[in-house]
Amino acid sequence: GESVGLHLPTLSVQEGDNSIINCAYSNSASDYFIWYKQESGKGPQFIIDIRSNMDKRQGQRVTVLLNKTVKHLSLQIAATQPGDSAVYFCAEKYGQNFVFGPGTRLSVLP
Amino acid sequence: EAQVTQNPRYLITVTGKKLTVTCSQNMNHEYMSWYRQDPGLGLRQIYYSMNVEVTDKGDVPEGYKVSRKEKRNFPLILESPSPNQTSLYFCASSFGSTGDEQYFGPGTRLTVT
Repeated sequence: GESVGLHLPTLSVQEGDNSIINCAYSNSASDYFIWYKQESGKGPQFIIDIRSNMDKRQGQRVTVLLNKTVKHLSLQIAATQPGDSAVYFCAEKYGQNFVFGPGTRLSVLP
Repeated sequence: EAQVTQNPRYLITVTGKKLTVTCSQNMNHEYMSWYRQDPGLGLRQIYYSMNVEVTDKGDVPEGYKVSRKEKRNFPLILESPSPNQTSLYFCASSFGSTGDEQYFGPGTRLTVT
């Protein structure tokens, strides 16, 4: 598959544990934030989003937390599974511009 | 099956030879966008379109052109490719015109020698 990042930060977690992936965003005017998952050889896949008027949003096994004070976004994955192994990107939107972070590689250990 | 398709998936070309990468979506989405992905840099937006005949520059538009004559298609044109355009390219689309919750295609690996 395609290599999306040779020197990405890596988070290794034990199968069944919870994962927390962090992201710092750059623009205090950003009003919409998204997390994407990218598996090797595939395009990014939408996971969850959150608007700036919220600080927490939950999906199935995933939770996104937004801290606007320190411009920080996190993705929590509950009961991490082998299929969660991938690169995870956060993205911010201000105006019509989307800006993506470089990504974090999540590695799930058996 | 709802999807975004790109063609070709892999392309090796030479400097200066014009090329087009096609993108098509079958979800009747209003918003479409092109990104390039380079190691350590993440995804960077090249161009986007909020609807037919409406296109705007993203962060890295230099050396690229796009058109949106039909809702479903959004081709990326490189009039005179250069080696610094060697990259992995993704097309994406979303239902609304704001670009929220984008669906991505499988990617096109372009090498310019």
